Amino acid sequence: NAGVTQTPKFQVLKTGQSMTLQCAQDMNHEYMSWYRQDPGMGLRLIHYSVGAGITDQGEVPNGYNVSRSTTEDFPLRLLSAAPSQTSVYFCASSSSLGEQYFGPGTRLTVT
Amino acid sequence: AQSVTQLGSHVSVSEGALVLLRCNYSSSVPPYLFWYVQYPNQGLQLLLKYTTGATLVKGINGFEAEFKKSETSFHLTKPSAHMSDAAEYFCAVTKSSGDKLTFGTGTRLAVRP
Repeated sequence: NAGVTQTPKFQVLKTGQSMTLQCAQDMNHEYMSWYRQDPGMGLRLIHYSVGAGITDQGEVPNGYNVSRSTTEDFPLRLLSAAPSQTSVYFCASSSSLGEQYFGPGTRLTVT
Repeated sequence: AQSVTQLGSHVSVSEGALVLLRCNYSSSVPPYLFWYVQYPNQGLQLLLKYTTGATLVKGINGFEAEFKKSETSFHLTKPSAHMSDAAEYFCAVTKSSGDKLTFGTGTRLAVRP
């Protein structure tokens, strides 16, 4: 039981490049979410999903896309990277009791 | 809409001293409340949670928190700090299971020898 896994752990992009951050969970959780963490701002919700085929926007969705074709996977796409997207990104899945389980994070730098 | 306020972005205590990290919430419905801990370069780990029932909740590593509806608070305490408690702590609120979590901005705890 690996929990929530994220790849890659580190990534450097140039402005304008696109990429996909991968997230997978093996706990059969319906609810999954993506956050970004910036100093002094806590965790801010980017997008979330309440089940396969269903996604919705969070607090800071601009510049990011998501899809949920399976229960296990919830990738986050950066369409055209900008320096403002330099951050640490966390994926999480939620049990039926509401507690969220977090992945180890992806540290992204956009130059 | 829900919100969380964590008073004090940095807290410093001596080893063996009481740890008190403050969290106040705003919610239009009875909340579910959580405390998470984040060690350097790691993801967040659940410390404890309140959903319903007993208002004093015990978590891992000797931490506990008390839900006080009248004060809209959910402060985190530990009687005696260890060096290993140095980390960042986040309070979070949601209105139900399967709903979005709203996080506070975090409190970084330093423990002095």
